[in-house]
Amino acid sequence: DAGITQSPRYKITETGRQVTLMCHQTWSHSYMFWYRQDLGHGLRLIYYSAAADITDKGEVPDGYVVSRSKTENFPLTLESATRSQTSVYFCASSEDGQTNSPLHFGNGTRLTVT
Amino acid sequence: GNSVTQMEGPVTLSEEAFLTINCTYTATGYPSLFWYVQYPGEGLQLLLKATKADDKGSNKGFEATYRKETTSFHLEKGSVQVSDSAVYFCALRGSGYNKLIFGAGTRLAVHP
Repeated sequence: DAGITQSPRYKITETGRQVTLMCHQTWSHSYMFWYRQDLGHGLRLIYYSAAADITDKGEVPDGYVVSRSKTENFPLTLESATRSQTSVYFCASSEDGQTNSPLHFGNGTRLTVT
Repeated sequence: GNSVTQMEGPVTLSEEAFLTINCTYTATGYPSLFWYVQYPGEGLQLLLKATKADDKGSNKGFEATYRKETTSFHLEKGSVQVSDSAVYFCALRGSGYNKLIFGAGTRLAVHP
């Protein structure tokens, strides 16, 4: 089925480990985004990408790395996980950067850092 | 900068009651406005959108009108169902900004 898929759905890792969250979309959308959702902070943008090989920081980029070598994939890597990165992570895509283009979200990855 | 403010929840209603969730925004230029819904354990789903002043977005019995004069985009439904229980997010995407800016979310609980 077409859409946006995230993997894994759940992940438990230890402090200091590297972990990569995967995101794949089948629409060939130009823009892709990573948000994190936390109680008390709502949804905050980590990174976004306007096209393959073009990425930019959002509000809370520290401790995260992204890449976009192919239009359909936008992995998010936590280089050395910390407990403060325990969160639910959502990937999203939009057809373009126009104000009237909605974002379409995946079902999220719940990450726990112990 | 751009921002979105939603009424705090939770909102608790009986089935078939009228729903209003207030949303106001601050933005420069001409943003588009969106309502998203999040069911437990799921991602955010687009519920409706409006892209210019006086536009009315509607879907599944929900409606919201883009009011530029009051900078508001209140969500309404005439008769809620138990299945409408979820968290609702108001959001805007503004000129020159690529990202979607969200309100804090309002949890709705509908009881039979």
